[in-house]
Amino acid sequence: EVQLVESGGGLVQPGGSLRLSCAASGFTFSSYEMNWVRQAPGKGLEWVSYISSSGSTIYYADSVKGRFTISRDNAKNSLYLQMNSLRAEDTAVYYCARDLPIAVAAPDAFDIWGQGTMVTVSS
Amino acid sequence: DIQMTQSPSSLSASVGDRVTITCRASQGISNYLAWYQQKPGKVPKLLIYAASTLQSGVPSRFSGSGSGTDFTLTISSLQPEDVATYYCQKYNSAPRFGPGTKVDIK
Repeated sequence: EVQLVESGGGLVQPGGSLRLSCAASGFTFSSYEMNWVRQAPGKGLEWVSYISSSGSTIYYADSVKGRFTISRDNAKNSLYLQMNSLRAEDTAVYYCARDLPIAVAAPDAFDIWGQGTMVTVSS
Repeated sequence: DIQMTQSPSSLSASVGDRVTITCRASQGISNYLAWYQQKPGKVPKLLIYAASTLQSGVPSRFSGSGSGTDFTLTISSLQPEDVATYYCQKYNSAPRFGPGTKVDIK
């Protein structure tokens, strides 16, 4: 079964850091481009970051650029999001999402989503 | 930055009705447009990509059309299980979602 499982969420103070992980199974992780998407409570979806299959191409939303870092370890079938200088507005459920294998080194539609991990930034 | 808008923001229709949701991009995006369904408390599900290509396993009552700046998602015969919020998304560069359209049963 194709599956993505996020972990690492929790409560953190403003200005703090958190590292999210996404464990992939049921498919050849190293062949797929990946993304992080977030959803604030009661709000819509916001794309956060993209990484190509090799990790050589990375994009960020303006709202997180300079504060968040996406990475992957293909040997461990894992995707990561290092979040620094966290703000209250970063409070959201964070999903990892797999790219459709269409374009190379460019985000496509997202065909597989994890269940999400909640990040709460509050003092 | 390209902005995505959707209309209406919510709608209520009867079972069996034809439902149409519109998505507009502030600049042309060719056919780099996807539609997602998110049921309450659930994870988003991909319905359509490339503006009109139905994702595997999605019922054929869902269809998409459009190119450039104007796109539509149509549910040909609304079913109770279609109660959800629907999001359009432009991709290929700087992915961005629309604000969503909430669909419920009258």
